[in-house]
Amino acid sequence: AQSVAQPEDQVNVAEGNPLTVKCTYSVSGNPYLFWYVQYPNRGLQFLLKYITGDNLVKGSYGFEAEFNKSQTSFHLKKPSALVSDSALYFCAVDSGGYQKVTFGTGTKLQVIP
Amino acid sequence: GAGVSQSPRYKVAKRGQDVALRCDPISGHVSLFWYQQALGQGPEFLTYFQNEAQLDKSGLPSDRFFAERPEGSVSTLKIQRTQQEDSAVYLCASSRGGRGTSGISSYNEQFFGPGTRLTVL
Repeated sequence: AQSVAQPEDQVNVAEGNPLTVKCTYSVSGNPYLFWYVQYPNRGLQFLLKYITGDNLVKGSYGFEAEFNKSQTSFHLKKPSALVSDSALYFCAVDSGGYQKVTFGTGTKLQVIP
Repeated sequence: GAGVSQSPRYKVAKRGQDVALRCDPISGHVSLFWYQQALGQGPEFLTYFQNEAQLDKSGLPSDRFFAERPEGSVSTLKIQRTQQEDSAVYLCASSRGGRGTSGISSYNEQFFGPGTRLTVL
């Protein structure tokens, strides 16, 4: 079985400050890890993925995520938050690329002007 | 270019009615997924198609749920005898690669449609 935990329902950060949205995972095989963002009244959009290679993955809109195998974590980060980053963020995992993705419950990011 | 489209966007059904939800994936995408998203939750996997083959239907909650993709493009999710607990947003996604595609780099992210919000009264 595979699972994803997003321990924070909501993260508040001031505009211009760095942001981190946490994610931990549990899989039996090699983890394929993803971050998606959901804006109000819009579909889920892909941000970035880790399959293999460098532990630091860069994605869309200046976001990046760090894969940490020993801590089974894949936290989403951005050096300087924008108000427009306010949205719902989902971490997801697929064990071994089997095309069966498990999503976390989501973290609402609120960037305060 | 055109993304994933779903219809209808909103559906209200009386308990016991049958409903059919349509998904038009991105042209040429091999994989197609259906998810159910309850309010305040993440999407939950329902079923997976690789071309016309339904390779995984382990997430379908009951035998009232049925999905098909007969020609490997458009897909329909059918729910028979709807119940109030079926009320949710149903998301469709497609991706270029498929299960077992050779080469790690061919594993592609999923592109999601806007969803169909189903309300069962």
